[in-house]
Amino acid sequence: NAGVTQTPKFQVLKTGQSMTLQCAQDMNHNSMYWYRQDPGMGLRLIYYSASEGTTDKGEVPNGYNVSRLNKREFSLRLESAAPSQTSVYFCASSESQTSYGYTFGSGTRLTVV
Amino acid sequence: SQKIEQNSEALNIQEGKTATLTCNYTNYSPAYLQWYRQDPGRGPVFLLLIRENEKEKRKERLKVTFDTTLKQSLFHITASQPADSATYLCALEVDSNYQLIWGAGTKLIIKP
Repeated sequence: NAGVTQTPKFQVLKTGQSMTLQCAQDMNHNSMYWYRQDPGMGLRLIYYSASEGTTDKGEVPNGYNVSRLNKREFSLRLESAAPSQTSVYFCASSESQTSYGYTFGSGTRLTVV
Repeated sequence: SQKIEQNSEALNIQEGKTATLTCNYTNYSPAYLQWYRQDPGRGPVFLLLIRENEKEKRKERLKVTFDTTLKQSLFHITASQPADSATYLCALEVDSNYQLIWGAGTKLIIKP
């Protein structure tokens, strides 16, 4: 019962470097999400994919891109990392209706120096 | 501005007592309100969902109330245990795209 799997768990980048965060779910969920979590703040939505083949911007999309590779996988790319992107990133998935809540991965702790 | 407020100060409760956490919101008319538990270094875990037309929802030792007039939800843990110590997050679903708006969470500490 893997649920939502995120890789890597930790990453340190230098300013200007790029990287892709990977996310996969095995629950056959239609919707997937990328959030960032910063101290003292609620989770903020970066991008989401309501269904395979669609992606939309969330609250804080600047500096990020996403790809919904198939129904299982949803990746987040930082093209040119900035210190302001230091955060913990969570991927989540849900059924199209939210009666069962979101299922989250264990997170990626990213530090940009 | 639109916002969700949870008590930012940690809540210390004696084991066996009832813990009550508060989630207040302004300028929203949410269809659903959800509660999650988050342990250090882990992702949030879904606990309960309550709809706007429901006053109360229970699951084992957990109870959630939802007062759309007061714009408030209360989350109760009865017979609290040290294992209940965690940060608890509330989230509102505010539009038809099933997106959630999140509170910053309240840290609950249950003392033996």
